[in-house]
Amino acid sequence: GENVEQHPSTLSVQEGDSAVIKCTYSDSASNYFPWYKQELGKRPQLIIDIRSNVGEKKDQRIAVTLNKTAKHFSLHITETQPEDSAVYFCATSRFGGTSYGKLTFGQGTILTVHP
Amino acid sequence: DTAVSQTPKYLVTQMGNDKSIKCEQNLGHDTMYWYKQDSKKFLKIMFSYNNKELIINETVPNRFSPKSPDKAHLNLHINSLELGDSAVYFCASSTGLAGVGETQYFGPGTRLLVL
Repeated sequence: GENVEQHPSTLSVQEGDSAVIKCTYSDSASNYFPWYKQELGKRPQLIIDIRSNVGEKKDQRIAVTLNKTAKHFSLHITETQPEDSAVYFCATSRFGGTSYGKLTFGQGTILTVHP
Repeated sequence: DTAVSQTPKYLVTQMGNDKSIKCEQNLGHDTMYWYKQDSKKFLKIMFSYNNKELIINETVPNRFSPKSPDKAHLNLHINSLELGDSAVYFCASSTGLAGVGETQYFGPGTRLLVL
């Protein structure tokens, strides 16, 4: 089955700095790559996603890049703010087969933004 | 106008008991999921239903039995609770199957503690 590795497990930055979280996956058939943000005690919420036919997607301070050949994708947060502090999860999914509709999550990254 | 709701929010019970968690979505989605988040924050899918039909059944002990009375509801019944069942259980829903890039919307979670 799919295996998703996420690094780093913790990330501490100063307000205004950039943060990068990287995920690698094993199933070359994966074609959907969402990122979720989970604040303490809250539900995971989608912040950005990318499909396999796109190499990069940006939404204000957040961007995701995908390298299908290397089977890795990354989340980039620029001009970090204290409210960006949370746990971030990458995930993968693929169309078809027994994995249809199944999200496989990375282990999560605890991001702390210091004022 | 809560999109995905779960009850109860907290559940504290003794080993060996049987308990149920309920989930409802008012988004008109066809697919619903159950995820387990352990103490290390790792999110793992347990089950998925599409239009009341079971489509994903991960390697979960058969003490866990999902039931979908209609496509807006997905309940989780757990028999003979064990200490290791302590976790946060999230319900989620999407318009179709995530393999085509469907956003999954998570409920607020049910925090289960087995004593």
